[in-house]
Amino acid sequence: GAGVSQSPSNKVTEKGKDVELRCDPISGHTALYWYRQSLGQGLEFLIYFQGNSAPDKSGLPSDRFSAERTGGSVSTLTIQRTQQEDSAVYLCASSLYSKSYEQYFGPGTRLTVT
Amino acid sequence: AQSVAQPEDQVNVAEGNPLTVKCTYSVSGNPYLFWYVQYPNRGLQFLLKYITGDNLVKGSYGFEAEFNKSQTSFHLKKPSALVSDSALYFCAVVGAGNMLTFGGGTRLMVKP
Repeated sequence: GAGVSQSPSNKVTEKGKDVELRCDPISGHTALYWYRQSLGQGLEFLIYFQGNSAPDKSGLPSDRFSAERTGGSVSTLTIQRTQQEDSAVYLCASSLYSKSYEQYFGPGTRLTVT
Repeated sequence: AQSVAQPEDQVNVAEGNPLTVKCTYSVSGNPYLFWYVQYPNRGLQFLLKYITGDNLVKGSYGFEAEFNKSQTSFHLKKPSALVSDSALYFCAVVGAGNMLTFGGGTRLMVKP
């Protein structure tokens, strides 16, 4: 079946601009996660959604980052006033439930801030 | 706070030889442990997990991992390496929260 999809695959933006990254999880998966992968910081957790519960935002690095998940499915990660240190690959993952269930990752969005 | 350590940035092994990629963890409570593999320009792929039960876990592509509670380790192993196993391997743990905490990754190079 279809896996996790993300768009765009690549995004180049100027410093100070806002960007939106989209994630379409596997159908039926209730848990959705955002991570980012960068050379300096490795793989970092950003935010977690589980069903209709309030999201766990503990990994967001600043208030310029926000995310929403509409209708328990598609999620959008928004970065406002982008900075060069935001350049990274942003990965989305989904799992059937949470915790003990393996997470399936999308191909990622490579964000470059110039 | 939970953490994962992968002490080797790179592991080199000859094709046909056994391989081990090391992982140790620190977590409060019972750990849920995972291994993922990342091929060049590809997303992370799930290999195997330990939740409970037998300490030896078998996963995809002939990989297995052994959970050792006393040593807080979860090393990845394969009896006979293939050139196609060359990739970046990540160990991860889920502890009190629901998110994965990843190690820094180990690059596996299998030479013919």
